[in-house]
Amino acid sequence: SQTIHQWPATLVQPVGSPLSLECTVEGTSNPNLYWYRQAAGRGLQLLFYSVGIGQISSEVPQNLSASRPQDRQFILSSKKLLLSDSGFYLCAWSTALGLSYEQYFGPGTRLTVT
Amino acid sequence: AQKITQTQPGMFVQEKEAVTLDCTYDTSDPSYGLFWYKQPSSGEMIFLIYQGSYDQQNATEGRYSLNFQKARKSANLVISASQLGDSAMYFCASSASTDSWGKLQFGAGTQVVVTP
Repeated sequence: SQTIHQWPATLVQPVGSPLSLECTVEGTSNPNLYWYRQAAGRGLQLLFYSVGIGQISSEVPQNLSASRPQDRQFILSSKKLLLSDSGFYLCAWSTALGLSYEQYFGPGTRLTVT
Repeated sequence: AQKITQTQPGMFVQEKEAVTLDCTYDTSDPSYGLFWYKQPSSGEMIFLIYQGSYDQQNATEGRYSLNFQKARKSANLVISASQLGDSAMYFCASSASTDSWGKLQFGAGTQVVVTP
């Protein structure tokens, strides 16, 4: 069966510090991968998605970047965090075929920028 | 572009009763998918149910059913026989045939509280 991992689970970082959040998927090949951010009490905002190694599409211009160095690894980064980067970050995967792209989410990382 | 609207920010429902969560969507795509997710206080998003725009019958998954009214562009979730563990945030989402990468557009969510 497929599983998706994210770490760390929680993170408190000062403004201006770098960020690296990691997501890995097990039990599937060539998944579509997604990064979402959820502000407190709000819906999910798609940040990045990837359909293959080294291929990244950005949905929202911002202070963040993403990379996919391996088929089942997705990394969210920032060189200098802003207060507005605080939120709950969710990684998700889906299969690459069909319209019923139900996405399966990881446990999330709660980021607080101080 | 797609847009998902969930007009109910929060709802209270008594245990064992049914509850309907509203979702309307706005899309010009010829075919699309509609999804519901549950987010408990732990934060993880749990996939509940899927409805394709060309599906003739409403989707059902256990106590969850999707009341799909294509002409009205609505995809309401019905939870029957509510349980305390159903207390969570519920999100409606859609995908589009014109987007081959499976991106989902989410609504703002509805907070459900089940009371004893």
